[in-house]
Amino acid sequence: AQKVTQAQTEISVVEKEDVTLDCVYETRDTTYYLFWYKQPPSGELVFLIRRNSFDEQNEISGRYSWNFQKSTSSFNFTITASQVVDSAVYFCALSEWGGGADGLTFGKGTHLIIQP
Amino acid sequence: DSGVTQTPKHLITATGQRVTLRCSPRSGDLSVYWYQQSLDQGLQFLIQYYNGEERAKGNILERFSAQQFPDLHSELNLSSLELGDSALYFCASSVGTGGSSPLHFGNGTRLTVT
Repeated sequence: AQKVTQAQTEISVVEKEDVTLDCVYETRDTTYYLFWYKQPPSGELVFLIRRNSFDEQNEISGRYSWNFQKSTSSFNFTITASQVVDSAVYFCALSEWGGGADGLTFGKGTHLIIQP
Repeated sequence: DSGVTQTPKHLITATGQRVTLRCSPRSGDLSVYWYQQSLDQGLQFLIQYYNGEERAKGNILERFSAQQFPDLHSELNLSSLELGDSALYFCASSVGTGGSSPLHFGNGTRLTVT
């Protein structure tokens, strides 16, 4: 069965600091997809990024960047120059190629607090 | 706005009762998923439908059932409710049925069982 571990339950930083959220996954499939979602205090789940298992290129989108390393089964998320609006719970998730009975498996989430 | 609509936003009911949660997927999406979010269990996959047919089943209790209608909206029925069923229930939709399609989530229905 697939599994996602987000070891950091809560991180608190001061605004403008850089912060990295860790994600480690387990799967027996060779083809799989990794995702990050954001859940702000309002409660909705917002899709941020998808990465497939054959594409280990790092990705940058504005202040957000993602580092995918198959060798360590990790898909980490870095926010540069954090802002108060980045405060949210961030979820890493994994799905296998065919979808399957596990659906999209989420980690427990990391609660990120950005203090002004 | 994800384009996924869930109603109602909040639901308060008593133990033993039955409720129905409703979801309208994004235009063009054929897959609908239901997830339950609670403090102790996190986000748990319940069930997926694709174009009206059940596609995958996760940790869904026998007291819970779902269906997807010809117009692609979906309903999640929760019966014989227990205190432990109190949670945030999310519906999500995607274009395809495989694991590659990002899921787009609605705002959730917060269920409180008293």
